[in-house]
Amino acid sequence: DVKVTQSSRYLVKRTGEKVFLECVQDMDHENMFWYRQDPGLGLRLIYFSYDVKMKEKGDIPEGYSVSREKKERFSLILESASTNQTSMYLCASGRGGSSSGANVLTFGAGSRLTVL
Amino acid sequence: AQSVTQLDSQVPVFEEAPVELRCNYSSSVSVYLFWYVQYPNQGLQLLLKYLSGSTLVKGINGFEAEFNKSQTSFHLRKPSVHISDTAEYFCAVTSRGTGRRALTFGSGTRLQVQP
Repeated sequence: DVKVTQSSRYLVKRTGEKVFLECVQDMDHENMFWYRQDPGLGLRLIYFSYDVKMKEKGDIPEGYSVSREKKERFSLILESASTNQTSMYLCASGRGGSSSGANVLTFGAGSRLTVL
Repeated sequence: AQSVTQLDSQVPVFEEAPVELRCNYSSSVSVYLFWYVQYPNQGLQLLLKYLSGSTLVKGINGFEAEFNKSQTSFHLRKPSVHISDTAEYFCAVTSRGTGRRALTFGSGTRLQVQP
């Protein structure tokens, strides 16, 4: 089975701190994604990457950046955390290409971030 | 651009009763459709998917969904629910074509199965 591992399940940070959320997948997937999950809003796409060093903005990229230096690792960075970034962050990966199965995503367990 | 509407934020149901969770989507192009389930304190798990072919798709844990192109719907059903089905369910859509496209999710439906 594909495994997507998020290194931190729970984090508590202070306003203004720099925060790194790490995600690693072990199935050689081309595509990786960061979503934010909030009650009543579902999952909203922050950034995604379809190749090493490539990234595309999602629906809510403001206040976030990403890094993909290796195929298996996709990091989400909050340059200066704010209280409105308190949320659950979900990483996902999927195969690239144009086949129908390329759109199936596998998710990590999530990282719950609290910014005080 | 695509969007997904899950019409019910919460669905309470008694154990062994049937359930339907509604999902409607909007897209100007052909789509793939998905249902994911999230159990408490866990990530999302794929329940079922519609990629092509038969419009009735079966997934894990006895769930099924029907793709209705004319009504742009993809409702999830189960004929008899268990307590263990208590979870949040998300409908998602993406456009056919390149594998670079992300999924667009609905706001979720919390299924509460009562004894």
